[in-house]
Amino acid sequence: DQQVKQNSPSLSVQEGRISILNCDYTNSMFDYFLWYKKYPAEGPTFLISISSIKDKNEDGRFTVFLNKSAKHLSLHIVPSQPGDSAVYFCAAHPTDSWGKLQFGAGTQVVVTP
Amino acid sequence: NAGVMQNPRHLVRRRGQEARLRCSPMKGHSHVYWYRQLPEEGLKFMVYLQKENIIDESGMPKERFSAEFPKEGPSILRIQQVVRGDSAAYFCASSPYTTGYGYTFGSGTRLTVV
Repeated sequence: DQQVKQNSPSLSVQEGRISILNCDYTNSMFDYFLWYKKYPAEGPTFLISISSIKDKNEDGRFTVFLNKSAKHLSLHIVPSQPGDSAVYFCAAHPTDSWGKLQFGAGTQVVVTP
Repeated sequence: NAGVMQNPRHLVRRRGQEARLRCSPMKGHSHVYWYRQLPEEGLKFMVYLQKENIIDESGMPKERFSAEFPKEGPSILRIQQVVRGDSAAYFCASSPYTTGYGYTFGSGTRLTVV
């Protein structure tokens, strides 16, 4: 039962342009959403998060938007840099969970010169 | 301050053997989580442990898999009688809190069953 979905397996974007990554979820009982970035042969690293009571959170080049009515969140990276080439995972924290996260399948981002 | 340490990085086992994966959390972190990533998939939660306690093992397969986090030493994920379908990357994460934000992941152990 995949409750967190990333429907785009890959995204190619030019350096300097905006990268927009999308994530949909089906469970209304998530209280926190997170984005992780993963390079090959490394573990995921935390990027940015957003509480379910907010609709936007910004940290430098990264902004996450949450649309609860649509059960949709997105990550914007502006401007995209070559070092942003990685797999990005959307994750959600269930309200009744003791720290368990549910992850999407990931989106491979490639930033081209 | 070292991060979350997992070893070995790569592990090859023949079908029917046992696999032991180790995870040392970050200093000061008493919460450990194990996740598995199958090819082309996202990370799937397996188990959440605190020292000497299993808090949530809802993601663990019912047979052959076990986990522990003893009072002293690393957390161990043990897979008995491995099968080809166990081939995956296994990631450990630790946190100082009971919430899912504040995780630090290790670099993972890639298990290959031949």
